Amino acid sequence: GAGVSQSPRYKVTKRGQDVALRCDPISGHVSLYWYRQALGQGPEFLTYFNYEAQQDKSGLPNDRFSAERPEGSISTLTIQRTEQRDSAMYRCASSSDSGPPYEQYFGPGTRLTVT
Amino acid sequence: DQQVKQNSPSLSVQEGRISILNCDYTNSMFDYFLWYKKYPAEGPTFLISISSIKDKNEDGRFTVFLNKSAKHLSLHIVPSQPGDSAVYFCAASLESGYALNFGKGTSLLVTP
Repeated sequence: GAGVSQSPRYKVTKRGQDVALRCDPISGHVSLYWYRQALGQGPEFLTYFNYEAQQDKSGLPNDRFSAERPEGSISTLTIQRTEQRDSAMYRCASSSDSGPPYEQYFGPGTRLTVT
Repeated sequence: DQQVKQNSPSLSVQEGRISILNCDYTNSMFDYFLWYKKYPAEGPTFLISISSIKDKNEDGRFTVFLNKSAKHLSLHIVPSQPGDSAVYFCAASLESGYALNFGKGTSLLVTP
C-alpha cells in the first residue's frame, strides 16, 4: 500500500515568508508525528497528533511553528516568518494503534531552504 | 541535551562478518527502543525494536540486545551484506507510540 507522502519534497523560500508543509499519512493510521532533521543529526521531535488532537507540541521551537490535523488524516506544519535557521529536512511519520511495537513509518521528508 | 547517543559516526565491516552498532541512553524512564535504517534520499525505515522488559529480540539476521543496567543497546547484523550499507539510527521512547528520541546515527559500510 501507499506509504507516508509529503509535499513539497523541496521548498526554497526567502526569509520572512510563511511556508506550509503537508503530510499525508498511511491510510488508517491514528497517530501522526512531525520531526526536524539537521544535517548529520537524527530526527528531532516537534509535535504529534492522535486523530485530530494535538497531544504534544513541546518540541516546536517557538510560536512561529504550528501544526494542525483537522480531520484526523492529512496534517500541515506551518512556519511563519521563516528564518535561515529553519532550514532543515522536515519529516512526518505515522503509526497505527493495532498493537506494539507501534513503529513509526516515515515519509521521504521536505527539504526546506530559507535564503 | 542528547538523551540517546551513538558515539561511532561510522563503521566499516567486511561482507559476511558481524556488524555491531552501539547505542547508549541517559533516561532510565525509556521503555521502548527501536532501530531505523536510512538510505540516501529516503526516510528512515523501521528495522527492529525491543521493549524494556526484554533483553534480546531477534529478527532474521538482525538482533537487538538491551542492557538496562548499563543503559546500553546494540544491534547485531549477521552476516553483513553490502545492501546493509546505510545509516542506522537508534531511537527510544518513554511510552510505546509516543515521541521518539533519536541518536545521531552510525553510517555502516559493508564491503565485498
